Amino acid sequence: AQSVTQLDSHVSVSEGTPVLLRCNYSSSYSPSLFWYVQHPNKGLQLLLKYTSAATLVKGINGFEAEFKKSETSFHLTKPSAHMSDAAEYFCVVTFNTNAGKSTFGDGTTLTVKP
Amino acid sequence: SQTIHQWPATLVQPVGSPLSLECTVEGTSNPNLYWYRQAAGRGLQLLFYSVGIGQISSEVPQNLSASRPQDRQFILSSKKLLLSDSGFYLCAWSVSDRAYNEQFFGPGTRLTVL
Repeated sequence: AQSVTQLDSHVSVSEGTPVLLRCNYSSSYSPSLFWYVQHPNKGLQLLLKYTSAATLVKGINGFEAEFKKSETSFHLTKPSAHMSDAAEYFCVVTFNTNAGKSTFGDGTTLTVKP
Repeated sequence: SQTIHQWPATLVQPVGSPLSLECTVEGTSNPNLYWYRQAAGRGLQLLFYSVGIGQISSEVPQNLSASRPQDRQFILSSKKLLLSDSGFYLCAWSVSDRAYNEQFFGPGTRLTVL
């Protein structure tokens, strides 16, 4: 069975400082991994995805993530936080099966202080 | 381009009343379709998914049902709502013939059962 663990339920940073949101996964097969962002009362928006190509993935809004197979991790980073980054972030693992069901982490709430 | 619609955006219903939430996708054909529920402060729970018209898979036992009467229409229903059915409901779609399964989310429906 596949699973994904977001190691921090809440992360608080100051504007202009780096962001690190941690995600670990478990799987028996090569997964596809995604990070989504959700602003209050909105749907989810894809930030970036890993699909077995380059292990360092760049996404929108300056975010990037690195797939580390040996550590089964896919941490999300951003060099400098902006107030508009405050939101809920979800790490998602999907397998290349029919219907491609996904497993979502419980989410990390990012707070950005001025 | 593809778009996904959900309605209504918000809904307040009494316990024991019926429910019908609708999701439609434009600009693609034969998508995989998904219904998720997000309880307050929690991650997303997959409720149903569908790989084709009339094909529904249920992920968790519950008070809800889903139907797919047309290729790009996905409906979430209940005959009698429970208090525990309150939450944020998200519909999503994905391309059915891709190995990885990036999902695209609708704007969501906020359901409050009183």
